[in-house]
Amino acid sequence: QVQLVQSGPEVKKPGASVKVSCKASGYNFTGYYIHWVRQAPGQGLEWMGRINPNGGGTNYAQKFQGRVTMTRDTSISTAYMELNRLRSDDTVVYYCARGTPVATILDYWGQGTLITASS
Amino acid sequence: DIQMTQSPSSLSASVGDRVTITCQASQDISNFLNWYQQKPGRAPKLLIYDASDLETGVPSRFSGGGSGTDFTFTISSLQPEDVATYYCQHYDNLPPLTFGGGTKVVIE
Repeated sequence: QVQLVQSGPEVKKPGASVKVSCKASGYNFTGYYIHWVRQAPGQGLEWMGRINPNGGGTNYAQKFQGRVTMTRDTSISTAYMELNRLRSDDTVVYYCARGTPVATILDYWGQGTLITASS
Repeated sequence: DIQMTQSPSSLSASVGDRVTITCQASQDISNFLNWYQQKPGRAPKLLIYDASDLETGVPSRFSGGGSGTDFTFTISSLQPEDVATYYCQHYDNLPPLTFGGGTKVVIE
């Protein structure tokens, strides 16, 4: 069965960087995009960007351009999202989700990773 | 960028009621719209894709409709396990991908 398993919660100081992993299983990893979506406490869903594991091409939301990097390691079916220069308002839950290649349907989601940026 | 306006932001209904949520796009997105359910503390779950197609395993009391700029999501008979926040999401002319603001559904 399709599964996306994310790395565990982390606490970072403002200004630091964090790298969240998303390990995929149960399907052809290079056949689907991986999207990253985040959610502040009690708030809605915010799309950060996506990576095509087949080739590594990325698209980022304007808000995160220059501060986020999405990568993948196809040998272990794992995608990564690195966010730099953390601020207190980056204290949110980060989700990875599998996106179908033609119509962007986010059909499977990771369990979410809480990143806390606090001094 | 395409904006998605979802309403209402919250609603309260009784078990067995018919519940309808609307989502309006800022421009024509054909049927490139999905609906998700998110229960507290959980990841979102896909319910409806391509505006009206029911994801495998999702109960038939959930349905979606519309095209162009105006879309609806309906629960035909609200059940206690349907307490959640529901989001619409477009996928026309990416990036960026955007979500509606969400509708929180509670039981009266």
